[in-house]
Amino acid sequence: DGGITQSPKYLFRKEGQNVTLSCEQNLNHDAMYWYRQDPGQGLRLIYYSQIVNDFQKGDIAEGYSVSREKKESFPLTVTSAQKNPTAFYLCASSQRTATSTDTQYFGPGTRLTVL
Amino acid sequence: AQKVTQAQTEISVVEKEDVTLDCVYETRDTTYYLFWYKQPPSGELVFLIRRNSFDEQNEISGRYSWNFQKSTSSFNFTITASQVVDSAVYFCALSEPYSSASKIIFGSGTRLSIRP
Repeated sequence: DGGITQSPKYLFRKEGQNVTLSCEQNLNHDAMYWYRQDPGQGLRLIYYSQIVNDFQKGDIAEGYSVSREKKESFPLTVTSAQKNPTAFYLCASSQRTATSTDTQYFGPGTRLTVL
Repeated sequence: AQKVTQAQTEISVVEKEDVTLDCVYETRDTTYYLFWYKQPPSGELVFLIRRNSFDEQNEISGRYSWNFQKSTSSFNFTITASQVVDSAVYFCALSEPYSSASKIIFGSGTRLSIRP
């Protein structure tokens, strides 16, 4: 089945540690995205990538880093510089075209808790 | 600037009632796309519908229907004969295709609770 997988589902981190969240898609989509969701709030864009080896900052990129070495993978690292990392993280992907906005499809999410 | 407003933070209705979720958007562009997503308790966002700004025809899919009105910048979502399985947070979203990387702006969501 085609889809987006995220791992782990739950992640606990001690203050001062970097952690990496995994996102993999087998939909052959060009674009991938990372969002952060805080309780009772909408989604905020952290980083996005339209093509392999290229990515751009979203609205709240500080304290996060990404890489896009393969089309199907877009891992997110939450660094110790992120002051309030406890949140629900959602990865999404979409097929890029030159003339339209394609639908973003989401993974199941990773819930990160800082102890 | 783009903005999506979902004024209803929470709605609670009894099963089998009809319920409408409101969405009002702001954009300067004439070409844009609107979306609705459902987020059940499991957390994953489930895509429901995409509508472009040139298509004002209302859409019906089973118990779900959407009313798009450009004159009022609204894209409301109605569930007919609601069921407990409809309980979720629903997000309305807006995207302008020629903005950088087709970013989607999400509303803050409406939490819908269907009571048996």
